[in-house]
Amino acid sequence: DAKTTQPNSMESNEEEPVHLPCNHSTISGTDYIHWYRQLPSQGPEYVIHGLTSNVNNRMASLAIAEDRKSSTLILHRATLRDAAVYYCILRPMMDSSYKLIFGSGTRLLVRP
Amino acid sequence: DGGITQSPKYLFRKEGQNVTLSCEQNLNHDAMYWYRQDPGQGLRLIYYSQIVNDFQKGDIAEGYSVSREKKESFPLTVTSAQKNPTAFYLCASSISTGSLNTEAFFGQGTRLTVV
Repeated sequence: DAKTTQPNSMESNEEEPVHLPCNHSTISGTDYIHWYRQLPSQGPEYVIHGLTSNVNNRMASLAIAEDRKSSTLILHRATLRDAAVYYCILRPMMDSSYKLIFGSGTRLLVRP
Repeated sequence: DGGITQSPKYLFRKEGQNVTLSCEQNLNHDAMYWYRQDPGQGLRLIYYSQIVNDFQKGDIAEGYSVSREKKESFPLTVTSAQKNPTAFYLCASSISTGSLNTEAFFGQGTRLTVV
């Protein structure tokens, strides 16, 4: 399985944008990039996913590098509720299951 | 409301006892998964099931067993053979294993403590 590399932790001020990076230099052409986040003592929740083009939804934006070797999850205005561990995960398009292989993620701290 | 329910939220057992964790979903999802999470770490896949009466081992299946007799239920048994069973257990489901735009839905987890 292709691996992802994320910083262990990041800090942000409330109401400021946050850019969470993810490196995936061994990504294959058919791997989707998924992001999940996990609030304390809860199960992970889906945030966003993409393949090649940048993606936007109500929670966040996903910016994917042209060579697809890295991506950035963008929270446009961080709130205290966004304090969580964010996981960047690669999912092979040809995988017949929905196995999600989690790394250790980035712990985001939001300062009031 | 549709969702995925794990019970109980907290579970205590004595060493050497088998224990079964419940996972139920009313989302009509085909696929279900069990993950284990240790403090400060990411999730690791224990077992997954793509269809009723079928399941596959994940990365850390030793000491665990599952069944999938009904589409909506995927119970996990932590057996006495599991060397270090104390952990946070998470169940998930997804709509279809073949769909490219699926997301997984997770339950709120069961925190198992073995003393």
